[in-house]
Amino acid sequence: DADVTQTPRNRITKTGKRIMLECSQTKGHDRMYWYRQDPGLGLRLIYYSFDVKDINKGEISDGYSVSRQAQAKFSLSLESAIPNQTALYFCATRTEMNTEAFFGQGTRLTVV
Amino acid sequence: SQELEQSPQSLIVQEGKNLTINCTSSKTLYGLYWYKQKYGEGLIFLMMLQKGGEEKSHEKITAKLDEKKQQSSLHITASQPSHAGIYLCGADRATNKLIFGTGTLLAVQP
Repeated sequence: DADVTQTPRNRITKTGKRIMLECSQTKGHDRMYWYRQDPGLGLRLIYYSFDVKDINKGEISDGYSVSRQAQAKFSLSLESAIPNQTALYFCATRTEMNTEAFFGQGTRLTVV
Repeated sequence: SQELEQSPQSLIVQEGKNLTINCTSSKTLYGLYWYKQKYGEGLIFLMMLQKGGEEKSHEKITAKLDEKKQQSSLHITASQPSHAGIYLCGADRATNKLIFGTGTLLAVQP
């Protein structure tokens, strides 16, 4: 089983719908991150969390919200999806600063 | 614009050729990471650099960190089709954020 699991792997949704992307990890890491990837733009940070009580906005948090339900779970929500949120979304975890981050396999989201 | 800029944005090389990818930061670098991604898949960690002047190698890939220039370079020697993919640099920020660059798409022609 993967150490960092994202569900679903693929999703097509309609404009205006609420959608949640989930991430769970078995590595026991405190830090968790959500990124989106668009062609030609690398990865951009949406939100990050250092523990269940600590949530921080990243570079592009508008239109997104997150929930850290437990140390192992970090969910990303789009309250009202719009087409320009079509992208590949990645979750990552690590123990602390200056350490390797481990990534999930990604969720490909299409908003029509 | 993003805080980490990579160049070139894309690169096509013939098998066996050497190549270099650069990553330049607009802010102080605390830790610099290189990852590789096969198209549409997850990221694979290559190496991490922490100190100015540090150089690390893994197989035919070498990365260097120039702290003064706030820049890192990734050099591939004698490229192979297996090197094809997207290369991403990442960096720690003082606020404990982990951000990534704009990516470089590498194609290796047999």
